[in-house]
Amino acid sequence: SQQGEEDPQALSIQEGENATMNCSYKTSINNLQWYRQNSGRGLVHLILIRSNEREKHSGRLRVTLDTSKKSSSLLITASRAADTASYFCATDSSYKLIFGSGTRLLVRP
Amino acid sequence: GAGVSQSPSNKVTEKGKDVELRCDPISGHTALYWYRQSLGQGLEFLIYFQGNSAPDKSGLPSDRFSAERTGGSVSTLTIQRTQQEDSAVYLCASSLTGTSGKETQYFGPGTRLLVL
Repeated sequence: SQQGEEDPQALSIQEGENATMNCSYKTSINNLQWYRQNSGRGLVHLILIRSNEREKHSGRLRVTLDTSKKSSSLLITASRAADTASYFCATDSSYKLIFGSGTRLLVRP
Repeated sequence: GAGVSQSPSNKVTEKGKDVELRCDPISGHTALYWYRQSLGQGLEFLIYFQGNSAPDKSGLPSDRFSAERTGGSVSTLTIQRTQQEDSAVYLCASSLTGTSGKETQYFGPGTRLLVL
């Protein structure tokens, strides 16, 4: 069963705009991770935020975590066509990851 | 060092045949995981290895599915008597120690399985 639900399911933006994706989860976590998947193949790890952190940055990525609301958001600033992909949040359940349903992002040139 | 590799990249098989999917984790990673992603679905956990043992096989969908790991390295996921519903992308991941909730899992490119 999936832990997280992501919102929106699909997002289409113009190159240069910012993209925001949200993830909600159900149980307490140690950390939350965001992954990107291109063309339905391998997952690329983007960023990990621990449960005691509220915000984390990595390049054009900004992740926030609100454990009281059991939610996280991923912001991609100044989007590029190459950012087109599916984005998944994942929470840990012991050693295994529980993935959200994903957001399909399309960045139009 | 190389990342996680998987073979084959794509596999087409006929219903009822057996298939073997291979995963080579990152060298030195003791933890290895298999996940499955069905068309348009999220990823679901299948099995976790710590070294050569599998303390958690809870995600394997049926007894047609089995996996082993040898030498603390390569893992093979075997699906016997494949069914059409087994069609999916099978993803393997590894992490350094498998310590609960504290590590990044690194994923391979996946094997896309199509059962006709």
